[in-house]
Amino acid sequence: EAQVTQNPRYLITVTGKKLTVTCSQNMNHEYMSWYRQDPGLGLRQIYYSMNVEVTDKGDVPEGYKVSRKEKRNFPLILESPSPNQTSLYFCASSLRRSEKLFFGSGTQLSVL
Amino acid sequence: AQKVTQAQTEISVVEKEDVTLDCVYETRDTTYYLFWYKQPPSGELVFLIRRNSFDEQNEISGRYSWNFQKSTSSFNFTITASQVVDSAVYFCALSGFSGGGADGLTFGKGTHLIIQP
Repeated sequence: EAQVTQNPRYLITVTGKKLTVTCSQNMNHEYMSWYRQDPGLGLRQIYYSMNVEVTDKGDVPEGYKVSRKEKRNFPLILESPSPNQTSLYFCASSLRRSEKLFFGSGTQLSVL
Repeated sequence: AQKVTQAQTEISVVEKEDVTLDCVYETRDTTYYLFWYKQPPSGELVFLIRRNSFDEQNEISGRYSWNFQKSTSSFNFTITASQVVDSAVYFCALSGFSGGGADGLTFGKGTHLIIQP
């Protein structure tokens, strides 16, 4: 089944403790991206990647890192999480930029 | 810079009513793509439609229809004979090349649609 898999689904952590949210797609998509969703703000892009080893900042990249060493994986790394990073995170992929996005099921992150 | 405006933050209607969700966009591009996504209460994001800027034909899919008007920069979404299962947050999005998100993809803030039985 074609899908974008994100893990974990829920995560509670404390300020400053490094964490990684994994994202994997099985559709051989070139384009992948991360979004955060906050009430009243809609979806805001954190980082995106056009292909392997090609990543770039979105609208709200501060406090996040990503890597794209393989085409299928695009992990989101929070080196030192802070409470303002408490949010619902979505990974997405598409065949190419401007094609329809396939979203993962989301990761609800709480930073205490 | 490009922009997507969904002015309706929340809409509440009674089941079987028709409802239209508005989406107005701004872009300097002549080639761009417009999208609608649905987010039901379970939280996942589901693709509904993609339309390119050269195709102004209206589209109908069952009870859903989309009205694309370049003259007013709008891409409105209508649900006919609404059902409780249509309750969700709906996002309009624009993919262009000249601004907005760093890769040209901009989402509206979403419209929360509530269908009351």
